[in-house]
Amino acid sequence: DAGVIQSPRHEVTEMGQEVTLRCKPISGHDYLFWYRQTMMRGLELLIYFNNNVPIDDSGMPEDRFSAKMPNASFSTLKIQPSEPRDSAVYFCASSGSSYNEQFFGPGTRLTVL
Amino acid sequence: AQSVTQLGSHVSVSEGALVLLRCNYSSSVPPYLFWYVQYPNQGLQLLLKYTSAATLVKGINGFEAEFKKSETSFHLTKPSAHMSDAAEYFCALGNGGYNKLIFGAGTRLAVHP
Repeated sequence: DAGVIQSPRHEVTEMGQEVTLRCKPISGHDYLFWYRQTMMRGLELLIYFNNNVPIDDSGMPEDRFSAKMPNASFSTLKIQPSEPRDSAVYFCASSGSSYNEQFFGPGTRLTVL
Repeated sequence: AQSVTQLGSHVSVSEGALVLLRCNYSSSVPPYLFWYVQYPNQGLQLLLKYTSAATLVKGINGFEAEFKKSETSFHLTKPSAHMSDAAEYFCALGNGGYNKLIFGAGTRLAVHP
């Protein structure tokens, strides 16, 4: 298996632009997680899905952030409009069940100028 | 409130020396505890996990951790450091499962010849 796939690996954009991050989980995994990693706040869970349904989005920082999972093999995290403080590494992870380990993708490094 | 504290943001050891990375947790329920490793420009990889089956947990790459309830600790050790162990290590607490993981701030391990 190819593991969790994220695209793009790097994104540089200007403040106010829309940013879309993409994730393909491991085939057969029912859970998908989005994390953000910054120097100031460390690694934070933003939202997670079970069977394509958002279960907990309490970590989403504000309304500018939205996440979707239209099918079992694809999820997006969108920021609109983007701000410099959104600059971070965004990770996607997936797992096979509530009691299986999470497998992380390589991350997307986002820079908002 | 549930939390994870990693003592020491940076640890430096000589090759062949003992590695000890410290993690303390706070949890109102029996905890699930994890150690993850992150190599540069990569996602997180699970080293080991504690799920109440045994207090001494062995993981990959020669690492192990001991759960001590009385000390609310889950320290990570390796008898002999290797240059390839240089990475950032994260302790994580699972809230009622593996989904809502709370990560510590991380400890960057440097290994010098």
